[in-house]
Amino acid sequence: DAKTTQPTSMDCAEGRAANLPCNHSTISGNEYVYWYRQIHSQGPQYIIHGLKNNETNEMASLIITEDRKSSTLILPHATLRDTAVYYCIVRVFTGNQFYFGTGTSLTVIP
Amino acid sequence: DTAVSQTPKYLVTQMGNDKSIKCEQNLGHDTMYWYKQDSKKFLKIMFSYNNKELIINETVPNRFSPKSPDKAHLNLHINSLELGDSAVYFCASSRGTVDNSPLHFGNGTRLTVT
Repeated sequence: DAKTTQPTSMDCAEGRAANLPCNHSTISGNEYVYWYRQIHSQGPQYIIHGLKNNETNEMASLIITEDRKSSTLILPHATLRDTAVYYCIVRVFTGNQFYFGTGTSLTVIP
Repeated sequence: DTAVSQTPKYLVTQMGNDKSIKCEQNLGHDTMYWYKQDSKKFLKIMFSYNNKELIINETVPNRFSPKSPDKAHLNLHINSLELGDSAVYFCASSRGTVDNSPLHFGNGTRLTVT
């Protein structure tokens, strides 16, 4: 069901940038890419989304390749509180589906 | 000021019982959802309602019946609970179905069936 693939886990040193990749090679022209994270067993938290232009907000930056087949979420200065599972999602407008994949477990190391 | 709130946070019950989980959103959104997260942490959509009407019903047993009394509420009733129903259930909402607005999730209801 999920249209994305992500690495299972990643580590990042505290204070460094965390770059989380996502492949979505079957994405359609009008489908957006969304990023969420889940800390422990809390509800997934929205981070950012985009269509084809790079996006930035107070939490992160989203870089989408020109062919839109992959994207990277960048946390510019990772803190210990950024340790979480990060989900990259392609929204399927038919039926308004948000399909979650298995996500990347990011561990920020002191 | 919780945007999407679910009750109860924890629910422990025995097999065969009937239980309900309530969800309310104060964001003025038109669309609400139920997701199930199993022990392997996989989040799977169950239902989606838009303006009180069912628009998505994934292959969920008919023991699960969502009810939307108004567009701010989407409750989940489960009949004849089974061990395999043990999971965390998340409610979510979004502005609509045709725009690109994100989902906002509640903090989940951990259901344990013994």
